[in-house]
Amino acid sequence: NAGVTQTPKFQVLKTGQSMTLQCAQDMNHNSMYWYRQDPGMGLRLIYYSASEGTTDKGEVPNGYNVSRLNKREFSLRLESAAPSQTSVYFCASSAGGGGNQPQHFGDGTRLSIL
Amino acid sequence: GESVGLHLPTLSVQEGDNSIINCAYSNSASDYFIWYKQESGKGPQFIIDIRSNMDKRQGQRVTVLLNKTVKHLSLQIAATQPGDSAVYFCAENMLGGYALNFGKGTSLLVTP
Repeated sequence: NAGVTQTPKFQVLKTGQSMTLQCAQDMNHNSMYWYRQDPGMGLRLIYYSASEGTTDKGEVPNGYNVSRLNKREFSLRLESAAPSQTSVYFCASSAGGGGNQPQHFGDGTRLSIL
Repeated sequence: GESVGLHLPTLSVQEGDNSIINCAYSNSASDYFIWYKQESGKGPQFIIDIRSNMDKRQGQRVTVLLNKTVKHLSLQIAATQPGDSAVYFCAENMLGGYALNFGKGTSLLVTP
């Protein structure tokens, strides 16, 4: 019962490099989300996809892009990484649309930008 | 914008005691609330949720109470166990949208 799977688990980048964080869910959920978590803070929404074929900005979208590849997969891309993007990134999914459904999270990607 | 906050950043309880973790919210239009548990190195794990048309909801060893009058949410854990040691987050639905607004978390430490 995998749930939400994120790859890679750890990554170190140099400033200016690009990379894509991968996320896949096997719960047949419609909605998917990307959050970042910084020390001593709660999670902040970067982007979300209400359903396959749609994506929308969250609270902190600058410096990121996303792709909802299919119903299962939702990727997050950093085109030109900056030290301020050092964080732990979590992907989540939920069954229905709207924020009134439980979101289920992966175990995160720990990203360091040097 | 309005945000979800927590009364205590850390809470230490003895094994077997009951734990109460509190959360204040300021958005009166919020209609859905959820508690998560996060262990070190893991993602948030869903514990229990409650909608604004309810005052109380119970799960296995957990109870969530919602007081809309004072905009307060609490999570009660009965007979706290060492495995309950983690950071607990409350979150609210932002005006029916897709995002959950998370608080900063309370660290629960269970001592033998």
